[in-house]
Amino acid sequence: AQSVAQPEDQVNVAEGNPLTVKCTYSVSGNPYLFWYVQYPNRGLQFLLKYITGDNLVKGSYGFEAEFNKSQTSFHLKKPSALVSDSALYFCAVRAGRTSYDKVIFGPGTSLSVIP
Amino acid sequence: DAGVTQSPTHLIKTRGQQVTLRCSPKSGHDTVSWYQQALGQGPQFIFQYYEEEERQRGNFPDRFSGHQFPNYSSELNVNALLLGDSALYLCASSLEGHGYTFGSGTRLTVV
Repeated sequence: AQSVAQPEDQVNVAEGNPLTVKCTYSVSGNPYLFWYVQYPNRGLQFLLKYITGDNLVKGSYGFEAEFNKSQTSFHLKKPSALVSDSALYFCAVRAGRTSYDKVIFGPGTSLSVIP
Repeated sequence: DAGVTQSPTHLIKTRGQQVTLRCSPKSGHDTVSWYQQALGQGPQFIFQYYEEEERQRGNFPDRFSGHQFPNYSSELNVNALLLGDSALYLCASSLEGHGYTFGSGTRLTVV
């Protein structure tokens, strides 16, 4: 069965510093990996995805993520954090390339960017 | 281009009652997935509808049921509500080969 772990409930970073939000996954077959962001009382907004190809994926709002197959990780990164990046971040995995395959979300990591 | 629309935005129900939540997918999307997000947790997959049929189901009891209409819109029904059903219910639409677009959710409170 597929699963996603986000080992940190909370990440605090100073504005302007680089940020990393960690994610590890477990899935049989090739993984399709996603990052979403959620602001208070809102739905999830898509940030980026890894399907195949280059292990470094660039997404919205300056975010990027690095796929590491040997470590089964897909960490989210940003070179310089903004206060407006403060939100809840979810890593997700889909075990298959079709929309038939359900997407499983991790428990989320709350990011706080301190001015 | 309208995104995913969910209604109502907020709802308060009493234990034992029934509730129906509605979702209109993004234009051009044909698949609708429903998720339950309890406070402080990640979204949990309830089920997915495609071509008016339930295609996949998560670990939710039969009290949770759904429907998809010919125009791809969808409903989520929950019977015999429990306090533990209080959550944000998210609808996501998609098209084969593409990622999900989420609605803003319906906040259900069971008292």
